Amino acid sequence: DADVTQTPRNRITKTGKRIMLECSQTKGHDRMYWYRQDPGLGLRLIYYSFDVKDINKGEISDGYSVSRQAQAKFSLSLESAIPNQTALYFCATSDFGATEAFFGQGTRLTVV
Amino acid sequence: QKEVEQNSGPLSVPEGAIASLNCTYSDRGSQSFFWYRQYSGKSPELIMFIYSNGDKEDGRFTAQLNKASQYVSLLIRDSQPSDSATYLCAASSGGSYIPTFGRGTSLIVHP
Repeated sequence: DADVTQTPRNRITKTGKRIMLECSQTKGHDRMYWYRQDPGLGLRLIYYSFDVKDINKGEISDGYSVSRQAQAKFSLSLESAIPNQTALYFCATSDFGATEAFFGQGTRLTVV
Repeated sequence: QKEVEQNSGPLSVPEGAIASLNCTYSDRGSQSFFWYRQYSGKSPELIMFIYSNGDKEDGRFTAQLNKASQYVSLLIRDSQPSDSATYLCAASSGGSYIPTFGRGTSLIVHP
């Protein structure tokens, strides 16, 4: 099983719908991140959390919200999906300090 | 705004050649640097990390760091078609250690 698991892997939703992307990890890391990837734009940080009681906005948080339900679970919500939120979304975790990030398999979201 | 810059490519090299990928970063407080490989539609996976000025070698891969010039590079020797992927450079700043990623360089290794 993957250390960082994202569900769903693919999702097509309609404009205006609320959608939740879920992430769970077995790495035991405190730090969790949500990134968005668009062609030619690399990985952009949406939200990050350093522990269960800590939530921080990244560079592109508008239109998104998150919930850290437990150390192992970090979910991303789109309250009212719009077409320009169509992208590949990655959850990642890391240990404290300057260590590598471990990524989930990604969720391909299409908003029509 | 902390930025990591990469040439988007594509960089095309023949099989067996050395591929050279470059990255610059804006935050002088960055302390650690990472190279990830990402195949199309897949998640990034770590190839190399480097913390100190100089070179670090691991098999066919060499990472180079020059903090004075704020420059990181990745050399891939004896390039193989299976190395064809997008390579993401990331910098992790001191204090928060949040990784900031570049846009990635597409590498194509042709037979």
